Amino acid sequence: AQKITQTQPGMFVQEKEAVTLDCTYDTSDPSYGLFWYKQPSSGEMIFLIYQGSYDQQNATEGRYSLNFQKARKSANLVISASQLGDSAMYFCAMRVVGSQGNLIFGKGTKLSVKP
Amino acid sequence: SAVISQKPSRDICQRGTSLTIQCQVDSQVTMMFWYRQQPGQSLTLIATANQGSEATYESGFVIDKFPISRPNLTFSTLTVSNMSPEDSSIYLCTIGRSTEAFFGQGTRLTVV
Repeated sequence: AQKITQTQPGMFVQEKEAVTLDCTYDTSDPSYGLFWYKQPSSGEMIFLIYQGSYDQQNATEGRYSLNFQKARKSANLVISASQLGDSAMYFCAMRVVGSQGNLIFGKGTKLSVKP
Repeated sequence: SAVISQKPSRDICQRGTSLTIQCQVDSQVTMMFWYRQQPGQSLTLIATANQGSEATYESGFVIDKFPISRPNLTFSTLTVSNMSPEDSSIYLCTIGRSTEAFFGQGTRLTVV
């Protein structure tokens, strides 16, 4: 069965510091994609970063990077130089290529940035 | 990347009534997905909407309660029928395109 696990219900980080949000996944399919989303209190889901299972390099998008360790089945999100506006829920998700194409989500991590 | 417009963004509804949520994509897509996010929870897939065929519902969701239309490749609607306070959630639509996974803005529904 396919599954996403986020073990940190809540995290605190000091403004301007880096923070890592953990995500592990489980699938027997060799072809899949991993996604991270930010959900502020408004409720919208903001796409942050994508990593394909065959990508050789870790994905980066501005202050966001994805630490992809395929053998460990982990896809941790690293946010550098945290800002107050980064306070939100963060969800890790997976899509298996060849499936019906839906995303499977973890339970999320609530990040709070302290001034 | 596709732009997805969803409306309404929020609504407060009386129990026993129905609400239809619209999702418009700026390009043609084969599959669209509807999710529900109950308060404090993660996202749960309601159904997959393919153009030209009936929607495929996940376990725990039925067509009578959540009818879905998919009249063309750029548009879909989700209706929440005969609402109760337990239906108070955020409802989100998204598309199924390989590396793209953008969502509509979401509909925050409160049933009173």
